[in-house]
Amino acid sequence: EVRLVQSGPEVKKAGESLRIFCQGSQFSVTGYWLAWVRQMPGKGLEWVARIDPGDSHTIYSPSFQGRVTVTADRSTSTAYLEWSHLKASDTAMYYCASLPYFDNWGQGTLVTVSS
Amino acid sequence: QSVLTQPPSASVTPGQRVTISCSGSNSNIGRNSVNWFLQVPGTAPKLLIYTDNQRPSGVPDRFSGSKSGTSASLAISGLQSEDEAVYYCATWDDSLNGYVFGTGTKVTVL
Repeated sequence: EVRLVQSGPEVKKAGESLRIFCQGSQFSVTGYWLAWVRQMPGKGLEWVARIDPGDSHTIYSPSFQGRVTVTADRSTSTAYLEWSHLKASDTAMYYCASLPYFDNWGQGTLVTVSS
Repeated sequence: QSVLTQPPSASVTPGQRVTISCSGSNSNIGRNSVNWFLQVPGTAPKLLIYTDNQRPSGVPDRFSGSKSGTSASLAISGLQSEDEAVYYCATWDDSLNGYVFGTGTKVTVL
């Protein structure tokens, strides 16, 4: 079973950059793809992007294309979600999950951006 | 704005059965398999059903999934207080070239 551990909560100001991570226990071996999912306060789940850690091929949701960058380091079994210029509207919980079924989830990383 | 529509809420007494619908289109549910999740507030979502009607190990058989055309359903029988959560459907959308989640259904156990 894939176990996913995410980085801790972040408090940032608008305009700052940020990179959060998701470390998997086995995906470098078994070839699991990973997805990032956003949940804004009191709202539902939104798919952000998916990445194949094997070759770093990434597909973004049109809603997030150009706003975030997803990368992976297969040698450390770690995937990253990055912003270059945060906005207050980026305030949300961000989850990573293993694909194809979203069967394993990280604990979530709360990102708070103040204006 | 999600392309998968679910009823916002459902209230059920303990022991009863509830069915949650997930309505989509030919580009998503009509062509791809559906997964279902539950989320207890303050915790990460948990997979309940994958590939329309398959249960991961550890998920009770009180939970079942089905699909017909462009709609999918999750049924929960013998409702228990611990089933109180928000339930989401999800699938791949060929037109959007991405995953889509349902709007979520909050189940309250009276």
